[in-house]
Amino acid sequence: DQQVKQNSPSLSVQEGRISILNCDYTNSMFDYFLWYKKYPAEGPTFLISISSIKDKNEDGRFTVFLNKSAKHLSLHIVPSQPGDSAVYFCAASDNYGQNFVFGPGTRLSVLP
Amino acid sequence: DAGITQSPRHKVTETGTPVTLRCHQTENHRYMYWYRQDPGHGLRLIHYSYGVKDTDKGEVSDGYSVSRSKTEDFLLTLESATSSQTSVYFCAISELTGGPGNTIYFGEGSWLTVV
Repeated sequence: DQQVKQNSPSLSVQEGRISILNCDYTNSMFDYFLWYKKYPAEGPTFLISISSIKDKNEDGRFTVFLNKSAKHLSLHIVPSQPGDSAVYFCAASDNYGQNFVFGPGTRLSVLP
Repeated sequence: DAGITQSPRHKVTETGTPVTLRCHQTENHRYMYWYRQDPGHGLRLIHYSYGVKDTDKGEVSDGYSVSRSKTEDFLLTLESATSSQTSVYFCAISELTGGPGNTIYFGEGSWLTVV
């Protein structure tokens, strides 16, 4: 059973609009969450993270929101740009910080 | 970019042959990982290492072995490759920072095809 779920395999958004990518987790021991972006034929690159002691973290156009009670987090990209088109992975780790569990990914397409 | 080098980057091999993928890091990070990426499954952990000669199994370890004789190198071996092991393999590194969480950094990937 997947501990980290990304229920939308794909998402299409118009350039300039907001992209919202969602992630749900089941393990209440997870306390640190990360988002990665992956282009074809490249390795995943770190985008943004959030600790469970926070409910929001912002970095430029990227904001991650965490709802601990719902075991849900989301990544907002505003405004979306064509270069944001990629696969986005949500990941979670526990308080030992050694093991990372990844979701299946969401493919974002930003249309010009 | 994190100093992670994977080799080979691309390999085609026959069923039943042994294959070794190499990961080399220049960051002196304690933790090293091997993941495989498959459609619909995302990134799944094969094995990880928490120090020289210290390794442990991940979610999909069957058919794989690893070795870490030096801090900078982490080898993944498929003793007898099968078609189900056709995948993209990513090495990753991490270090405990003492902060609220740690970040894992990935290499560029190794594309393995078993025919």
